[in-house]
Amino acid sequence: GNSVTQMEGPVTLSEEAFLTINCTYTATGYPSLFWYVQYPGEGLQLLLKATKADDKGSNKGFEATYRKETTSFHLEKGSVQVSDSAVYFCALSDPGNAGNMLTFGGGTRLMVKP
Amino acid sequence: GAGVSQSPRYKVAKRGQDVALRCDPISGHVSLFWYQQALGQGPEFLTYFQNEAQLDKSGLPSDRFFAERPEGSVSTLKIQRTQQEDSAVYLCASRNTAGTGGKGYTFGSGTRLTVV
Repeated sequence: GNSVTQMEGPVTLSEEAFLTINCTYTATGYPSLFWYVQYPGEGLQLLLKATKADDKGSNKGFEATYRKETTSFHLEKGSVQVSDSAVYFCALSDPGNAGNMLTFGGGTRLMVKP
Repeated sequence: GAGVSQSPRYKVAKRGQDVALRCDPISGHVSLFWYQQALGQGPEFLTYFQNEAQLDKSGLPSDRFFAERPEGSVSTLKIQRTQQEDSAVYLCASRNTAGTGGKGYTFGSGTRLTVV
């Protein structure tokens, strides 16, 4: 079956530090890959996505590259801000599954200190 | 509406009580999903509707869980005889298409269920 593994948190960084959150996946088909962000008290929001190998998704300074050879989709940001503090979820959708439902990793809490 | 609306926002139930959680998806969205998110974990798939048809219910943890979407819009997730392990945030998501493409998923803010 499909699964997503991401690094456990919390990750604590100072403002303007470089961020990497690792994500690896296992899938039977050719999945699309996503990063979602969950701010306190809010619903999950799509941060970025990539639909095929070597695609790079990017948004709000965050980026991740779909690496089929290493089955990875690591999230990076060059300079984090306090407002980036949230929980980040890596996810995949497999077109072989009904409705392309999402399979999520366990989430990584990011805390950015001023 | 502009987003996916879930109600109630919070629900406290006594063990053994039945509960019903409501999801109002974005108008016209074909696909609707329910997920269960335990504390400190990622969301886990429960069930999927395409319009009024429940096409996948493989994630429902037991026969105490039941979901419906009778008119292809509003959906209700019902949990009978609640147990402590049912305590979680229940998320609803909708999407404007049945397959790939489209504008992607929109998630509601969830219903936090606490069973005491």
